[in-house]
Amino acid sequence: GNSVTQMEGPVTLSEEAFLTINCTYTATGYPSLFWYVQYPGEGLQLLLKATKADDKGSNKGFEATYRKETTSFHLEKGSVQVSDSAVYFCALRPPRGSARQLTFGSGTQLTVLP
Amino acid sequence: SQTIHQWPATLVQPVGSPLSLECTVEGTSNPNLYWYRQAAGRGLQLLFYSVGIGQISSEVPQNLSASRPQDRQFILSSKKLLLSDSGFYLCAWSTASSTNEKLFFGSGTQLSVL
Repeated sequence: GNSVTQMEGPVTLSEEAFLTINCTYTATGYPSLFWYVQYPGEGLQLLLKATKADDKGSNKGFEATYRKETTSFHLEKGSVQVSDSAVYFCALRPPRGSARQLTFGSGTQLTVLP
Repeated sequence: SQTIHQWPATLVQPVGSPLSLECTVEGTSNPNLYWYRQAAGRGLQLLFYSVGIGQISSEVPQNLSASRPQDRQFILSSKKLLLSDSGFYLCAWSTASSTNEKLFFGSGTQLSVL
């Protein structure tokens, strides 16, 4: 079956540091890949997505590239801010699948210190 | 604009007691509705989804049930809670499209069964 593996947290960084949160997946075919973010006290919200190999999703300074050869979708940001402190979830959806078929990783807690 | 409300934010219940978590969506009609659970250190697991009033699909066998008495109301229930029901419960909605992958989440309920 489909699965998503994220690096374990928590991750603590100083402001302006470089961020990488690793995500690898197992799926047949070419799934769509997502990063969701949950800020403190709020629900999850879609951060970025990529629907085919070599696509790069980007939003709010975050980027992730769909790497079919390594089955990865690592989240990166060049300079984190305190406001980026949140829990980040990697997820996949099978080709032509629906929202109910999303498979989520376990989440990575990020804390950015001033 | 659309909003989703989920309550309570935290709940502590004794083993064997009943449970009722409520979720309502505003600003949209005929949404698909979802209940997810996140156990400690694990990814989000889909428990139930609904495509319309009275239409509930269960994804995993469990001690819980769901109901949709109104178009934009989704309720998660249990007659007798187990210790293993502890976790973080999230309600979500999406537009009524089978290929729409964008989920909108509530802020979640942290349930502790003691």
